[in-house]
Amino acid sequence: GIQVEQSPPDLILQEGANSTLRCNFSDSVNNLQWFHQNPWGQLINLFYIPSGTKQNGRLSATTVATERYSLLYISSSQTTDSGVYFCAVERTGGGNKLTFGTGTQLKVEL
Amino acid sequence: SAVISQKPSRDICQRGTSLTIQCQVDSQVTMMFWYRQQPGQSLTLIATANQGSEATYESGFVIDKFPISRPNLTFSTLTVSNMSPEDSSIYLCSVHGTSDTQYFGPGTRLTVL
Repeated sequence: GIQVEQSPPDLILQEGANSTLRCNFSDSVNNLQWFHQNPWGQLINLFYIPSGTKQNGRLSATTVATERYSLLYISSSQTTDSGVYFCAVERTGGGNKLTFGTGTQLKVEL
Repeated sequence: SAVISQKPSRDICQRGTSLTIQCQVDSQVTMMFWYRQQPGQSLTLIATANQGSEATYESGFVIDKFPISRPNLTFSTLTVSNMSPEDSSIYLCSVHGTSDTQYFGPGTRLTVL
């Protein structure tokens, strides 16, 4: 099956700092999404981004499908950004089934 | 977007018993998905539930352990059978939205003693 690796596995930031999270995948995909799982376990969809660049407020994401990676940028981080960030991919021809990455645990401190 | 609710939100169960988790969506959807998230781990797909047909299980998951029902286009249940402490996890249902985005329910946090 498709492999999805994320880095770094853990990240601690001071409030106001910027960060970049990376997602590498091992096969061609037709769907890539970034999720934030808050400390209560709720998964929130951040971006649907199989290719190209999108921005939403302090967050932006870029996927380079030909090189099989995606990046999530968080600017001016806030304590509410804490939680786990997952990328998830659907392999081409995968029938809407998502394979989740290993996750990045982010903690933003005052 | 889709609004998804799950019941129960959490439960503590005894070894050897079974728990049925309900998932309700506010719109009709063709496919519903069930995922498991073990403590400190990522999410793993258990099965895909289509209305009117048998669920399709991923490698490592079997119908006897995780029977699924899908009686209509807005509802599904997942049963965790003959539970052991290793079944302690968060169980989440999800649906595929019209914009190719997947939406997740709030999850059911299960602890097996």
